[in-house]
Amino acid sequence: EIVLTQSPGTLSLSPGERATLSCRASQSVSSSYLAWYQQKPDQAPRLLIYGASSRATGIPDRFSGSGSGTDFTLTISRLEPEDFAVYYCQQYGSSPYTFGQGTKLEIK
Amino acid sequence: QVQLQQSGPGLVKPSQTLSLTCAISGDSVSSDSAAWNWLRQSPSRGLEWLGRTYYRSKWYINYAVSVKSRITINPDTSKNQFSLQLNSVTPEDTAAYYCARAGGRQWLGNFFNYWGQGTLVTVSS
Repeated sequence: EIVLTQSPGTLSLSPGERATLSCRASQSVSSSYLAWYQQKPDQAPRLLIYGASSRATGIPDRFSGSGSGTDFTLTISRLEPEDFAVYYCQQYGSSPYTFGQGTKLEIK
Repeated sequence: QVQLQQSGPGLVKPSQTLSLTCAISGDSVSSDSAAWNWLRQSPSRGLEWLGRTYYRSKWYINYAVSVKSRITINPDTSKNQFSLQLNSVTPEDTAAYYCARAGGRQWLGNFFNYWGQGTLVTVSS
């Protein structure tokens, strides 16, 4: 089973700043099968990025993903008030399909 | 527009069976480019994939090893829905349960592009 470790656990930033979230895998994720989700309280997760760098339908271009192998990054270029939430990475290169523990992005 | 509507009880007694259903609109459970998944989320276990069903000329069902001995996922083509049964539940099975779709017009892998609204299931006597 591939274990995903996200860092930092909590990130405190202000609107307009740049956010960089990390996801590290315990072994290489095949074909960059890595997705990112955003979750707000009492809501289901929402898909942001798949294939490590492809934005899902309707996702603003301030969200970008990068990385390969075992190291992946989600970048939010200029934070909007609605971006403060918890973010999860997920690998789908091998079963079981696993998630990171999440990074909470909070307003500073 | 794809929508997934979950139904089922929010309270289950220990040792009994948790049963949830996910009704699909805007797509078909028999789609040959989608997969229909169950996941759960709890503070102790985080987000956890439980299993999926999908159709590729025949039906396939995959389960996570962690629940394989207790779980059943079934498609229902007559009602365009799929279901989850988890047997012999304990308080550790208390979680928000989600159904989710992977794929769609084309199969790009098992990431989740549509989610149900979630069902908080508490296991307690």
